Amino acid sequence: AQKVTQAQTEISVVEKEDVTLDCVYETRDTTYYLFWYKQPPSGELVFLIRRNSFDEQNEISGRYSWNFQKSTSSFNFTITASQVVDSAVYFCALSERQAGTALIFGKGTTLSVSS
Amino acid sequence: GAGVSQSPRYKVAKRGQDVALRCDPISGHVSLFWYQQALGQGPEFLTYFQNEAQLDKSGLPSDRFFAERPEGSVSTLKIQRTQQEDSAVYLCASSLSRDNQPQHFGDGTRLSIL
Repeated sequence: AQKVTQAQTEISVVEKEDVTLDCVYETRDTTYYLFWYKQPPSGELVFLIRRNSFDEQNEISGRYSWNFQKSTSSFNFTITASQVVDSAVYFCALSERQAGTALIFGKGTTLSVSS
Repeated sequence: GAGVSQSPRYKVAKRGQDVALRCDPISGHVSLFWYQQALGQGPEFLTYFQNEAQLDKSGLPSDRFFAERPEGSVSTLKIQRTQQEDSAVYLCASSLSRDNQPQHFGDGTRLSIL
């Protein structure tokens, strides 16, 4: 069965600190997709990144970077030099090809960045 | 508008009442999804449409939940004889196709059952 685990429930950092959000997934499918979404207090889920299971290259987008490691079934997200505006709940999600396109979400990590 | 639009933003109903939640997806998006998000939890899948066809309703928790998308655009999620455990945020998402393209979410409808 498919599952996404975000073991960190809450993280608090001070501005300019780097922070890594962990995501571990379980799937029996060989083709799958991993996502990160941000949910600010307003409630809307904002898409951040999508990776497929055949592309293990790490990705960097501005202050954001993602480390995908199939060997450990992890897809971790790092924010460099965090800012107050990064405060939100971050969700990791999995989509299995055979199961259709429903997203399976983790429980989320609440990130609080103080000034 | 440019994004997924959901209405109402908030809905309060008494237990036993029927409610209807509306979703207007991004223009041109053939795939539409409904999710339920309980407080402090991640969203959980309810149902999926490709155009007007409901291809997956495996996540609907009971036969009190019903969704439709008659013309392949706007969708309505209906909950009959609401119960307190139905209180949650209901999120709608749309995407370009079913090939695991990113889903774009609306702001959600926060449903409170008294």
